[in-house]
Amino acid sequence: DIQMTQSPSSLSASVGDRVTITCRASQSISTFLHWYQQKPGKAPKLLIYAASSLQSGVPSRFSGSEFGTDFTLTISNLQPDDFATYFCQQSFIGVTFGQGTKLEI
Amino acid sequence: QVQLVQSGPEVKKPGASVKVSCKASGYTFTSFHIHWVRQAPGQGLEWMGMINPSSGFANYPQKFQGRVIMTRDTSTRIIYMEVNNLKSDDTAVYFCARGLGGVVTTIPRVFDYWAQGTLVTVSS
Repeated sequence: DIQMTQSPSSLSASVGDRVTITCRASQSISTFLHWYQQKPGKAPKLLIYAASSLQSGVPSRFSGSEFGTDFTLTISNLQPDDFATYFCQQSFIGVTFGQGTKLEI
Repeated sequence: QVQLVQSGPEVKKPGASVKVSCKASGYTFTSFHIHWVRQAPGQGLEWMGMINPSSGFANYPQKFQGRVIMTRDTSTRIIYMEVNNLKSDDTAVYFCARGLGGVVTTIPRVFDYWAQGTLVTVSS
């Protein structure tokens, strides 16, 4: 199985900050890497698919990039609504999610 | 607008079965895969498999083969997932989600619309 290692597991930031979350795949997954945001008691929401494509309706302060087996989600100019948990997910072979990153104020 | 709505919470005893439903609306039902993902309390996300509503063909990861069955009713636009021989560690919120891009896509197994989730509690 492909393992996804996400870091950090938690992160403290302030409104207006720029933050980066990283996901590393245990093998090459091309660009089959996607990012979700989840708030307590809610379903996940797709933010970025195929490493860097912004899902319709998602603010442009969210961006994704790929460096081999390392992938990053960057959130610029943090807004109060952005404090949530973020998950990466690979779909190159089957589906595997990262453990999540809790972004706190 | 695209909407997925699941059935209500369930409480089951170990060894029992549970069947969760997911009703789709707002798009062409047979054109998009439906996936199931679960989340144990305070834990991460786990993919349980997918179904093609057009053909009825379902695909499960090895962990769930033989214990999970996904079916669909095209007349009512409802997808069902049945989990058999429940154990305490099956206690989780179960989500259905639509696959991005349709049944013919170059980016498989990405989930663009999600239902609200169904809490299944397994306890003696």
